[in-house]
Amino acid sequence: GNSVTQMEGPVTLSEEAFLTINCTYTATGYPSLFWYVQYPGEGLQLLLKATKADDKGSNKGFEATYRKETTSFHLEKGSVQVSDSAVYFCALTHTGGFKTIFGAGTRLFVKA
Amino acid sequence: SAVISQKPSRDICQRGTSLTIQCQVDSQVTMMFWYRQQPGQSLTLIATANQGSEATYESGFVIDKFPISRPNLTFSTLTVSNMSPEDSSIYLCSVSWQTGELFFGEGSRLTVL
Repeated sequence: GNSVTQMEGPVTLSEEAFLTINCTYTATGYPSLFWYVQYPGEGLQLLLKATKADDKGSNKGFEATYRKETTSFHLEKGSVQVSDSAVYFCALTHTGGFKTIFGAGTRLFVKA
Repeated sequence: SAVISQKPSRDICQRGTSLTIQCQVDSQVTMMFWYRQQPGQSLTLIATANQGSEATYESGFVIDKFPISRPNLTFSTLTVSNMSPEDSSIYLCSVSWQTGELFFGEGSRLTVL
């Protein structure tokens, strides 16, 4: 079946450090891939997405590239800020928007 | 996108009681879903709320425990019945227009004593 595997957290970084959160997936066909973010005390919101192989999603300085050959969708940011402290979820959905599968989530702490 | 309002935002309930959570969307949506997020955990899909018909439940979730209504394209309710402390979670309403991306309400944080 379909699944999403994320690197375990928490991840603790100093401000302006480089961030990578690994995400790999198992799926039949060609799913769409997403990163969602959950800031403290808030609901989830979409951070970025990619709908086909080699697409790069980007938003707020974050990027992720849909790599079909390695079934990966790693999240990166060149210089994190304290305000990026949150839980990040990798997810996949098949065409039609039915049943999104979420990874376990990775908590990021950024220190000033 | 959409504005999704959930009520209540939080509640503390006694064991054995039931609580109904409401989800109101400011525009018509194709898909509505209910998720559960247990403390420190990821999201687990409870069911897809179908307009005018019975919800579609995921494995491990049953209608008697989690009855769901969706009378129209902008509103749904989830009831958590006969609650126990294990039901303490955040319950999230989400919507989609079949583009794949989900939009979430802020969640309803339920504590069962």
